[in-house]
Amino acid sequence: YELTQPPSVSVSPGQTASITCSGNKLGDKHVSWYRQTPGQSPVVVIYQDTKRPSGIPERFSGSHSGNTATLTISGTQTVDEADYYCQAWDSSTDVVFGGGTKVTVL
Amino acid sequence: QVQLVQSGAEVRKPGASVKVSCKASGYTFSSYDISWVRQATGQGLEWMGWMNPNSGNTGYAQKFQGRVTMTRNNAINTAYMELSSLKSEDTAVYYCARRVPYYDYWGDAQGTTFDSWGQGTLVTVSS
Repeated sequence: YELTQPPSVSVSPGQTASITCSGNKLGDKHVSWYRQTPGQSPVVVIYQDTKRPSGIPERFSGSHSGNTATLTISGTQTVDEADYYCQAWDSSTDVVFGGGTKVTVL
Repeated sequence: QVQLVQSGAEVRKPGASVKVSCKASGYTFSSYDISWVRQATGQGLEWMGWMNPNSGNTGYAQKFQGRVTMTRNNAINTAYMELSSLKSEDTAVYYCARRVPYYDYWGDAQGTTFDSWGQGTLVTVSS
């Protein structure tokens, strides 16, 4: 099972960045999103498609429509430059990660 | 607070084995599965499998079946991941992560997320 993400997304400071994650029958699954900066461990920013853990800024939001899940960063800041990974779970293949998207703020 | 602390960097020759530890604190160790995820330099995240500290049950990604073993020592709240028959392609940072499942209204598994991660352990395989 595979999850497909765009390799890179560029956004201007203060604008909205959208990162997509698509997969076959992804509509039947729930998606988590992780943020990873160089040399650091991943951190979950969205789980169960839309839920934001405590401590994660409100500018991070998630949505899911059909076979595509989307992570949206509103009012993007330079500190949001990072790699972002989607992750889903399937009862047969268990956990799978997307290939990752590098977000550049310029 | 939940914390996962991993053992230090390792260097191995091809064909050898490596065992990485992950010590948990700040929660009841037996209550959550531990998963292992690896990341080669410049590459994405790759899930390797899970271990239930309460039962010792495990589940491995097909790619690692036969080469990986995940165990635990509940007395010291520590999980282990051992990878054998190492190849140069196994050079990567290995992370442990606490796996949190969630269920639907009827109690059926709906998904899983990883809410805490270790700091990572670099394993280098080189002759």
